[in-house]
Amino acid sequence: ETGVTQSPTHLIKTRGQQVTLRCSSQSGHNTVSWYQQALGQGPQFIFQYYREEENGRGNFPPRFSGLQFPNYSSELNVNALELDDSALYLCASSSSGLAGTQETQYFGPGTRLLVL
Amino acid sequence: DAKTTQPNSMESNEEEPVHLPCNHSTISGTDYIHWYRQLPSQGPEYVIHGLTSNVNNRMASLAIAEDRKSSTLILHRATLRDAAVYYCILAISSGSARQLTFGSGTQLTVLP
Repeated sequence: ETGVTQSPTHLIKTRGQQVTLRCSSQSGHNTVSWYQQALGQGPQFIFQYYREEENGRGNFPPRFSGLQFPNYSSELNVNALELDDSALYLCASSSSGLAGTQETQYFGPGTRLLVL
Repeated sequence: DAKTTQPNSMESNEEEPVHLPCNHSTISGTDYIHWYRQLPSQGPEYVIHGLTSNVNNRMASLAIAEDRKSSTLILHRATLRDAAVYYCILAISSGSARQLTFGSGTQLTVLP
């Protein structure tokens, strides 16, 4: 069973540029969530995709957008990069269908983005 | 947002049990309590979760108070590889999404 993978592992961009981060979900999982983790803080929920549709979003501006593909892999796009976007971006996959909030999310290793 | 409160840091000696506390006084009746941990330079890793009853798995045990306003993650024999940030989380439903709301967690240091 292949776990969650993310690419690239590290990325350096300059302010104002655009970036695309990629995530392959764990086999059998149809839901992908993205999180942003600033240095020294816990991860913050960006959004979640289920069956190619965004079905929930945290407190992030519209310049953070995403896609989910038919094979359940996903992309996170960030436009007009700002210095504060420097962070570890984490992707987590899960299998929806469980009742309530007991669903377990499985995280990838993350992409470290540095904005200069 | 459903919130949890954890100590910023704790220390333990290797091969001794560790009890990591968490307060969640605003928990609702259907909120599950999740624990994740994050080792340096890695993504968070699922540890355990529960609703009302105490739970055990190969990694840890979760003791949940009768009123559900607090819980304790128990590592039965800490190893150096258990040194990590431990997050106590109340998973919430945001619309159709199920999001994990992380706090700052507890940095566990294991001393040899």
